[in-house]
Amino acid sequence: AQSVSQHNHHVILSEAASLELGCNYSYGGTVNLFWYVQYPGQHLQLLLKYFSGDPLVKGIKGFEAEFIKSKFSFNLRKPSVQWSDTAEYFCAVNGGFKTIFGAGTRLFVKA
Amino acid sequence: DSGVTQTPKHLITATGQRVTLRCSPRSGDLSVYWYQQSLDQGLQFLIQYYNGEERAKGNILERFSAQQFPDLHSELNLSSLELGDSALYFCASSTEDEQFFGPGTRLTVL
Repeated sequence: AQSVSQHNHHVILSEAASLELGCNYSYGGTVNLFWYVQYPGQHLQLLLKYFSGDPLVKGIKGFEAEFIKSKFSFNLRKPSVQWSDTAEYFCAVNGGFKTIFGAGTRLFVKA
Repeated sequence: DSGVTQTPKHLITATGQRVTLRCSPRSGDLSVYWYQQSLDQGLQFLIQYYNGEERAKGNILERFSAQQFPDLHSELNLSSLELGDSALYFCASSTEDEQFFGPGTRLTVL
């Protein structure tokens, strides 16, 4: 069965620190991969997506993610976080018709 | 603004009651997804419809049902409500694989 695992449930960083959020999935076939962000009180928005091609994907607001097929991973990174990046981040995997979301990682950035 | 609309924004009801949540997808999107987000369960996929037909089912309880109408709007019906059904219910729509989420309906069951 498809599953998505996000390693950190809560992350606290100071501004300008680097960020890496882990995401691993299990699925035997071809997948499309996503990172969504949910700012406080708002709905989920797409940060970036990977369908095929260059495994290093750049998204909005300076975020990027790297697809490592051999590790079934799609980790999210940002070199220098800002206070406004405080949000919950969801990794999602689509294989076939279903999209499965990870449990989410709550990021709090201290000003 | 994602283009996906959901009504109502907030709903407060009592245990045992039945409610209907409504979702209008983005113009041209054929797929509608329903999700439940709660503090203890996180974001749970409930069900997907594509052009009026059920396409995929997730962790949807038997007390819950959904449908997608010819104009592509969708309704999620929740019946025999329990305290644990209190959550944010999101609808999303898509044409390909990227999903666009609505603002959600916050359901509180007292």
